[in-house]
Amino acid sequence: SQQGEEDPQALSIQEGENATMNCSYKTSINNLQWYRQNSGRGLVHLILIRSNEREKHSGRLRVTLDTSKKSSSLLITASRAADTASYFCATDEIQRNDMRFGAGTRLTVKP
Amino acid sequence: EAQVTQNPRYLITVTGKKLTVTCSQNMNHEYMSWYRQDPGLGLRQIYYSMNVEVTDKGDVPEGYKVSRKEKRNFPLILESPSPNQTSLYFCASSSRGTQYFGPGTRLLVL
Repeated sequence: SQQGEEDPQALSIQEGENATMNCSYKTSINNLQWYRQNSGRGLVHLILIRSNEREKHSGRLRVTLDTSKKSSSLLITASRAADTASYFCATDEIQRNDMRFGAGTRLTVKP
Repeated sequence: EAQVTQNPRYLITVTGKKLTVTCSQNMNHEYMSWYRQDPGLGLRQIYYSMNVEVTDKGDVPEGYKVSRKEKRNFPLILESPSPNQTSLYFCASSSRGTQYFGPGTRLLVL
């Protein structure tokens, strides 16, 4: 069963706009990660945020984590056409040795 | 170059014909795992391995086997493939929680 659920399922924006994707999960976690996938290719790790962190930045990416609401958001600022991809959140659950992925958000950035 | 490799990248087979998808990593990671990706379902974990000779079931292990005889290799075995195993498969290895994914194997079972 999936742990993370991304919202929205699909997002279409113009180049230069910001894109925000959300992830909700159900159980207690050690950390939450965001990955990117270009069509049909392997996933690439973007950023990891630990359960005791609230916000993290990496370049144009900003991730927040609210453990009380069991939710996270990924913000991509000043988006580019090259940001077009699917974005997945993944949770590393406490007392489990595996990771759970959501179904992903498909982001399209129009030039 | 640090990487996870999978072979084959594409495979068409028939129901019941045993197949193996190989996975190898050169990063000395202890943790390795297999996922399948299907439209609308995201990635679902099939099996994972914490270290050599240590494997465990993920969310969708039925119809699959794995082995971990060496640290770098983690093959996925389909003893008797069925059409519902048609999917895109990813191998991954992990260090400190960050997973490194292979390029994927697209499998079609007729």
